[in-house]
Amino acid sequence: ETGVTQSPTHLIKTRGQQVTLRCSSQSGHNTVSWYQQALGQGPQFIFQYYREEENGRGNFPPRFSGLQFPNYSSELNVNALELDDSALYLCASSLGGSSGGPREQYFGPGTRLTVT
Amino acid sequence: QKEVEQNSGPLSVPEGAIASLNCTYSDRVSQSFFWYRQYSGKSPELIMSIYSNGDKEDGRFTAQLNKASQYVSLLIRDSQPSDSATYLCAVNIDSGYSTLTFGKGTMLLVSP
Repeated sequence: ETGVTQSPTHLIKTRGQQVTLRCSSQSGHNTVSWYQQALGQGPQFIFQYYREEENGRGNFPPRFSGLQFPNYSSELNVNALELDDSALYLCASSLGGSSGGPREQYFGPGTRLTVT
Repeated sequence: QKEVEQNSGPLSVPEGAIASLNCTYSDRVSQSFFWYRQYSGKSPELIMSIYSNGDKEDGRFTAQLNKASQYVSLLIRDSQPSDSATYLCAVNIDSGYSTLTFGKGTMLLVSP
């Protein structure tokens, strides 16, 4: 059983640029959630994908967008980067949807994004 | 506004002691509760989940849930220096989709 993987590990971008972060879910999981974690804060929910559709969204602007692919992997795209977007971006996978049951989410190692 | 509150710490305990970490939440509809451990520079690691009132034990860890008081805690027995980390409390509300609301975390320091 493979765990959650994310790429890249680190990324440095300039304000105004666009970035794409990638996540592969844990084997057997069909739901991917993305979180932003600023220094000294808990993770903040960005959005969740289930069956290739956005299944819920936190308080983030539309320049944060995503995709989920048939193999349940996912991308997070951020346009028009701002300095405040500098953070650790975490992907979490879970077994979700109508299956019921627990909603444990397992995190990948994260992508550290620095916007200068 | 759904909130999860934790004391930021640091909570300092000597090796071998019991560490007690606390968390309160504001939304009475909350259904599932999780504790994550996060080492500096790393991602959160799930260590405990609890769904019903009472205690749940797993090795040196015990999670306690009191829904009436909207309170969840984590006890770590026989604390070790390797337990030094930030502990994040997360609350799940299954409202059609399942997301986690996190507290800011409590830093635990276990001294040898």
